[in-house]
Amino acid sequence: DAGITQSPRYKITETGRQVTLMCHQTWSHSYMFWYRQDLGHGLRLIYYSAAADITDKGEVPDGYVVSRSKTENFPLTLESATRSQTSVYFCASSPPDRGSGYTFGSGTRLTVV
Amino acid sequence: AQRVTQPEKLLSVFKGAPVELKCNYSYSGSPELFWYVQYSRQRLQLLLRHISRESIKGFTADLNKGETSFHLKKPFAQEEDSAMYYCALSTGTASKLTFGTGTRLQVTL
Repeated sequence: DAGITQSPRYKITETGRQVTLMCHQTWSHSYMFWYRQDLGHGLRLIYYSAAADITDKGEVPDGYVVSRSKTENFPLTLESATRSQTSVYFCASSPPDRGSGYTFGSGTRLTVV
Repeated sequence: AQRVTQPEKLLSVFKGAPVELKCNYSYSGSPELFWYVQYSRQRLQLLLRHISRESIKGFTADLNKGETSFHLKKPFAQEEDSAMYYCALSTGTASKLTFGTGTRLQVTL
């Protein structure tokens, strides 16, 4: 599914630095999501967006910022990275119909040292 | 609040044996349920939606509202089924999915 791409695939950053993870989709799906995947926790929702310029917090939003100026892009920024933010981050998109399910990106493996 | 429980972290079966991955949910309304699969270091892929009642790669899942369960089943496990499986619940608006913690299926010879 080349329709949703994440970059970078791997990132190592230092504690306290700002880092931005990119997500781009080509389907014009209205909904986009950011999840983090951690052993023992499964996937937890960080932020989501229903449309351009509309964003809302998920389950674990602290320390993260999102924006959505265009429908196709949904970047996730860690303002001041902490070691607890070491994780695999997945972006996903979905049409409004809640029965459709998500399409996921390939993920970004972020390590904070 | 909605919740998805996958009680098994790891399920190990022999090739050819039946598989059942358990999923229970808590939600008072009308749920939409999904199974996602993640092969080693790959993206999550949609495996099944309860609304479509389809069979994918030999897997089926039936929504049991009385038991609030959506267990994933396959009669004969294959090596290529080894993966991480996540059950997910969609409720209300916003298409948000709540995921369980996942079950790793290991199929051995």
